[in-house]
Amino acid sequence: NAGVMQNPRHLVRRRGQEARLRCSPMKGHSHVYWYRQLPEEGLKFMVYLQKENIIDESGMPKERFSAEFPKEGPSILRIQQVVRGDSAAYFCASSPQPGAGFYNEQFFGPGTRLTVL
Amino acid sequence: DQQVKQNSPSLSVQEGRISILNCDYTNSMFDYFLWYKKYPAEGPTFLISISSIKDKNEDGRFTVFLNKSAKHLSLHIVPSQPGDSAVYFCAAEGMDSNYQLIWGAGTKLIIKP
Repeated sequence: NAGVMQNPRHLVRRRGQEARLRCSPMKGHSHVYWYRQLPEEGLKFMVYLQKENIIDESGMPKERFSAEFPKEGPSILRIQQVVRGDSAAYFCASSPQPGAGFYNEQFFGPGTRLTVL
Repeated sequence: DQQVKQNSPSLSVQEGRISILNCDYTNSMFDYFLWYKKYPAEGPTFLISISSIKDKNEDGRFTVFLNKSAKHLSLHIVPSQPGDSAVYFCAAEGMDSNYQLIWGAGTKLIIKP
């Protein structure tokens, strides 16, 4: 019974390159959330997706960032033309129902640590 | 605009004693609160939660207290064990947050042997 899987665990990119982060939710979970954690800060919500739908992307920068959760395959967070300020840990979480109510806590993956040189 | 605040970046407690981690919030629309524990190089792990209709929730060594009038919650760990050394995050969800979890900056708990 695998948990939330994220890959790669570490990603190094040069400025201007593209970063692709993958997240496979827990089996049976159709709700995926992406968070970003900067050093010495808490997690910041980026986007909430269900299969083939973006439900809430209010936390995502308007440019260069995009997310998808296709019918088949993992959720992808894509960062185009990365800059040094994109260096952070990116966490994915999944839940069986929307939100975080009782018996519906969000389960987190181990994160992808993105370093932009 | 920090809606969830954890004012202590770190806390050091003797093994066997009580650890008390604090969290303050500003948004009165928050109605569900969670504590997550995070080890280095791992994702956060759910620990315990509380609904705004309650003022206390207990699970083994972990108890969360909620004071709605003060917009304050705390996590008590007793007795503290070495494996409790981790970063603890307080998070909140509200009727107006559209399923988002709003996170505090975390408190690093160090349990001394």
